[in-house]
Amino acid sequence: GQQVMQIPQYQHVQEGEDFTTYCNSSTTLSNIQWYKQRPGGHPVFLIQLVKSGEVKKQKRLTFQFGEAKKNSSLHITATQTTDVGTYFCAGISSNTGKLIFGQGTTLQVKP
Amino acid sequence: EAEVAQSPRYKITEKSQAVAFWCDPISGHATLYWYRQILGQGPELLVQFQDESVVDDSQLPKDRFSAERLKGVDSTLKIQPAELGDSAMYLCASSWGPGMNTEAFFGQGTRLTVV
Repeated sequence: GQQVMQIPQYQHVQEGEDFTTYCNSSTTLSNIQWYKQRPGGHPVFLIQLVKSGEVKKQKRLTFQFGEAKKNSSLHITATQTTDVGTYFCAGISSNTGKLIFGQGTTLQVKP
Repeated sequence: EAEVAQSPRYKITEKSQAVAFWCDPISGHATLYWYRQILGQGPELLVQFQDESVVDDSQLPKDRFSAERLKGVDSTLKIQPAELGDSAMYLCASSWGPGMNTEAFFGQGTRLTVV
């Protein structure tokens, strides 16, 4: 079945350092979404990418969708303590329409 | 701002007992999802509804789990009998629907502890 893999599972950075998480799908996606979950909270939508090779920016966050629409990345420039949380990618399969989440990357930022 | 409502927030039950969770999606949202999230892992899709129809329930343990969305609005997820391994956060989410490819809005979840 469809699988969405994320690496790394954990990342500890010093405040001000950059951070990147990578997402790979076993199947072609119609789109990919990114969510952030704070400790004790629920996933909150960040952004959606639809087009092959698409790049979107939100302040210090840069999101990319691969040319083959099977992989994606999230890059945070100059992390802040407010960036702490778990970042999930979630893909909608072109075939099934199911919204499948990756395992997430948990970011810890040391002040 | 509209929210996805879930109840109860917390539930402690003994193994072999029945338990039910309720979800009221954002008004007008055609797609409703039930996810199970074990601590430290990503949400695992249990069932996805489009209006009142099941789109996918391939990961739903049907021997003990059932889900319904009778009028295509609110939904109930039931476990009978509960097992120790069912302890997890159960998240409900909703979105406008397929073809619109919009974000999923999550409720606060129901944290289930089976003892």
